[in-house]
Amino acid sequence: KNEVEQSPQNLTAQEGEFITINCSYSVGISALHWLQQHPGGGIVSLFMLSSGKKKHGRLIATINIQEKHSSLHITASHPRDSAVYICAVTIANYQLIWGAGTKLIIKP
Amino acid sequence: NAGVTQTPKFQVLKTGQSMTLQCAQDMNHEYMSWYRQDPGMGLRLIHYSVGAGITDQGEVPNGYNVSRSTTEDFPLRLLSAAPSQTSVYFCASSYSLAPGNTIYFGEGSWLTVV
Repeated sequence: KNEVEQSPQNLTAQEGEFITINCSYSVGISALHWLQQHPGGGIVSLFMLSSGKKKHGRLIATINIQEKHSSLHITASHPRDSAVYICAVTIANYQLIWGAGTKLIIKP
Repeated sequence: NAGVTQTPKFQVLKTGQSMTLQCAQDMNHEYMSWYRQDPGMGLRLIHYSVGAGITDQGEVPNGYNVSRSTTEDFPLRLLSAAPSQTSVYFCASSYSLAPGNTIYFGEGSWLTVV
């Protein structure tokens, strides 16, 4: 069993829909990261959080430490949001464990 | 400020050949790392460094060597390329991995071993 599980693996939605991507983990963590990987490969850090909720524009990330679960939400989704969204957790000795990613396609 | 610069972007190698993937950052980051990304899998750590002169193995180090002679550069060497090393490689850096530090990635290197 992977220590970081993302769901769904693939998600296709219409422009304007509210998007939720989930990340569950089974290890103790000091932080959780959400990253975005666009077609062509570049990976960009979106959020790093250890508790509560963070918001940046139309993106919202939440984490529930007790339930070992985090969600990434996108409001008013747009085709330019199409990308792979990756969850990663920082564990002891500051190493990272990565989820396999969620491929999101937003259709106009 | 160029961030993390990774070269080459694309490379085709024959089995048994050696090559070096270059990675440089200009942010004075102590922590640098190399990952490989394969379809359906998360990023897997190959080697990492917490400062000049210090390197350590990650999850999948076999067939790869690294060195960190300066803070800026962290090259990844494939000693004798094998088809199993066909992958996309990413270099990453951060000031440290302690919470609060953003991770920066290079653009990726697509390597095919035939």
